[in-house]
Amino acid sequence: GENVEQHPSTLSVQEGDSAVIKCTYSDSASNYFPWYKQELGKGPQLIIDIRSNVGEKKDQRIAVTLNKTAKHFSLHITETQPEDSAVYFCAASSRGFGNEKLTFGTGTRLTIIP
Amino acid sequence: GAVVSQHPSRVICKSGTSVKIECRSLDFQATTMFWYRQFPKQSLMLMATSNEGSKATYEQGVEKDKFLINHASLTLSTLTVTSAHPEDSSFYICSARIDGYTEAFFGQGTRLTVV
Repeated sequence: GENVEQHPSTLSVQEGDSAVIKCTYSDSASNYFPWYKQELGKGPQLIIDIRSNVGEKKDQRIAVTLNKTAKHFSLHITETQPEDSAVYFCAASSRGFGNEKLTFGTGTRLTIIP
Repeated sequence: GAVVSQHPSRVICKSGTSVKIECRSLDFQATTMFWYRQFPKQSLMLMATSNEGSKATYEQGVEKDKFLINHASLTLSTLTVTSAHPEDSSFYICSARIDGYTEAFFGQGTRLTVV
């Protein structure tokens, strides 16, 4: 099955600086890569996603890049703000029993230092 | 985005009792819903895929008789933890996918504590 690795596990950046979180996946058949933000005690919230036919996608301060050959994708947050502090999960979509199921990375705890 | 509502958000139950958690898609139909379990400071672990009108598909190592899943309508899936024990204490999260789309939207999660 799919295996997703995520780095770093914790990340602290100064407010206004950029943050980068990286993930690698193992299944070359995976074709959908979402990123989720999870705040304490809440469910994950989809913040951006990318499909395998696209190399980069941007939404305001958030961007995701995908390198299919190397099987890795990254989340970039620019001009970070205190409200960006949360745990971020990457995921990859692989087929299971006829349904698209998500395999999650281990998470990155991002702390924005005011 | 689409809204998935999960209820209750917190529940405390005694060992040996059963607890039901509901997951509803509020503004869309979801043939497929997913149930996850998350331990503190860990990632989400998929427990099972809930299919409307048919049996759920459980991941390896998940006891289907302990975690009963029912997906009786296109907007509601339920997870029942039967004969709960303290080791079942965890954060349970559901997600739903709009039919025909890949994006998955998550509920708020349910914090289960078994005492």
